[in-house]
Amino acid sequence: EAQVTQNPRYLITVTGKKLTVTCSQNMNHEYMSWYRQDPGLGLRQIYYSMNVEVTDKGDVPEGYKVSRKEKRNFPLILESPSPNQTSLYFCASSLTGAFSYEQYFGPGTRLTVT
Amino acid sequence: GDSVTQMEGPVTLSEEAFLTINCTYTATGYPSLFWYVQYPGEGLQLLLKATKADDKGSNKGFEATYRKETTSFHLEKGSVQVSDSAVYFCARILSGGGADGLTFGKGTHLIIQP
Repeated sequence: EAQVTQNPRYLITVTGKKLTVTCSQNMNHEYMSWYRQDPGLGLRQIYYSMNVEVTDKGDVPEGYKVSRKEKRNFPLILESPSPNQTSLYFCASSLTGAFSYEQYFGPGTRLTVT
Repeated sequence: GDSVTQMEGPVTLSEEAFLTINCTYTATGYPSLFWYVQYPGEGLQLLLKATKADDKGSNKGFEATYRKETTSFHLEKGSVQVSDSAVYFCARILSGGGADGLTFGKGTHLIIQP
């Protein structure tokens, strides 16, 4: 089954404790992206990757890191999480970054930072 | 800057009512337009899309027409069902290409009552 998977689905952590949220897709997609969803703000892009070893900042990159060492994986790293990073996070992928292709979303990771 | 604006929710309707969710966009050039749907506890799924002016996207009884003259992409359905209860996001990809991913509206929460 074609899908985007994220782990963990739920995470509660404390301020400053490094964490990684994994994202993996099995569709051989070139383009991958991370979003956060917050009430009243909708979805905002954090980082995206056009292909392996190619990443770039989205609208809200501060406090996050990503890497794209393999085509299928695109982990999101929070080196020192803070409470304002409490949010619902979605990973997405698409065939390419071309503007007509739909994005496929993972099920989401709900992160709480205390 | 470029953006997507959609009507605030929640929108509450009775089953079999007619649905319209307004969406307008600003963009330089000719973006592709999308409607995504998010069911409770799930990630976003593409509902429909249109890639050029006057195109009509349709799926599951929903329709939206790309209106360049009014920069709009309103979502409509003739007779809603309880199972249509979800959050709906209007989105567009920058006209210059997909490198920057999608820009989303803030979402409209639709509640259908039996």
